[in-house]
Amino acid sequence: LAKTTQPISMDSYEGQEVNITCSHNNIATNDYITWYQQFPSQGPRFIIQGYKTKVTNEVASLFIPADRKSSTLSLPRVSLSDTAVYYCLVGGANFGNEKLTFGTGTRLTIIP
Amino acid sequence: DSGVTQTPKHLITATGQRVTLRCSPRSGDLSVYWYQQSLDQGLQFLIQYYNGEERAKGNILERFSAQQFPDLHSELNLSSLELGDSALYFCASSVGEDRWDTEAFFGQGTRLTVV
Repeated sequence: LAKTTQPISMDSYEGQEVNITCSHNNIATNDYITWYQQFPSQGPRFIIQGYKTKVTNEVASLFIPADRKSSTLSLPRVSLSDTAVYYCLVGGANFGNEKLTFGTGTRLTIIP
Repeated sequence: DSGVTQTPKHLITATGQRVTLRCSPRSGDLSVYWYQQSLDQGLQFLIQYYNGEERAKGNILERFSAQQFPDLHSELNLSSLELGDSALYFCASSVGEDRWDTEAFFGQGTRLTVV
């Protein structure tokens, strides 16, 4: 699995858009980019996944540049309930054959 | 509710003891993953099973072992417990077939306290 690098922590005010960037310089051709969210004492929860360009769902957007060496998770108009740790994972199209390995994640704190 | 069930939710035991944590994956999921998360630490991958067979191994101690049964539920056995084994233990499951499979569903975890 490609190694990922994320900021350790970020703070943001309620109502703002938050962008968390993940670097994955040695991403492989078949690798997908997946983001998970984890609240304290809970298991991680899948947020969004993409391969290239932009993906959007009801909770977030994922921006992936053409070289795919980085990706940005965008959370629109955050609220206090978005305070959590966010993990970026990069891996092959078949996690059934690979370790599902989490990095250190980004601890996002939303300020009232 | 992710559909992944872990039991028990809490476990308190003494050093030197042995415990078994149980995980029932989502219906239809063939892959099961086990993770350890100590206080304020990241998720440490322990081991993965796919359809009853060990598929990948992470930083799992020799005192720990796991298995996946024919009905696809999995158990993580922790023996000769030490204070440092106190942590949250998560189980996750995914479809695990030879296709696009990158979303894993996590249980609520078992909080193990070794005293």
